[in-house]
Amino acid sequence: DAGVIQSPRHEVTEMGQEVTLRCKPISGHDYLFWYRQTMMRGLELLIYFNNNVPIDDSGMPEDRFSAKMPNASFSTLKIQPSEPRDSAVYFCASSPPGPRSDTQYFGPGTRLTVL
Amino acid sequence: GENVEQHPSTLSVQEGDSAVIKCTYSDSASNYFPWYKQELGKGPQLIIDIRSNVGEKKDQRIAVTLNKTAKHFSLHITETQPEDSAVYFCAAYKAAGNKLTFGGGTRVLVKP
Repeated sequence: DAGVIQSPRHEVTEMGQEVTLRCKPISGHDYLFWYRQTMMRGLELLIYFNNNVPIDDSGMPEDRFSAKMPNASFSTLKIQPSEPRDSAVYFCASSPPGPRSDTQYFGPGTRLTVL
Repeated sequence: GENVEQHPSTLSVQEGDSAVIKCTYSDSASNYFPWYKQELGKGPQLIIDIRSNVGEKKDQRIAVTLNKTAKHFSLHITETQPEDSAVYFCAAYKAAGNKLTFGGGTRVLVKP
């Protein structure tokens, strides 16, 4: 299995620009999670989907952040407009259906730098 | 909500020695406790997990123990090797809300 795939691996952009992060979950997994990791706040859950439907977006910091999952194999996290405080590593994770739905597998992350 | 405390924040050990990382959680409803290893520039990798109906689990050089009464769980790495150097995260999962809450991480350095 290829594991969770994220792109790009690194993104450098200027304040005010739109940023789109992409994720492909593990095939057959029906839960998808977006996390943000910073030194100050550690790993924070932003939003998660089940069967392509957003279930909990209470961790999304503000309206500048949005996430979509148009199908079972693709999700995006968009920041518009981006700000320097959005600089962080963003991880996507997925988990399978059934009794192991609590077991999350992480992708390699996207390191975002907003200048 | 759930709160997970992890100690120590940094741990330096000599190659071949054991390393122990401890975590406490606050919500007795949490029932699944995974441990992740994160190497520089990579995503967290699941290395071992334990469910609330089990007190101990072992996989080669790593083991995890769980004390539900005291609400704490620990990771034990024996015969440490330089490739064990990484940041380790504990986490607690609660089915209500499908939420995984992470500890602050422990940076482990294994000195050759």
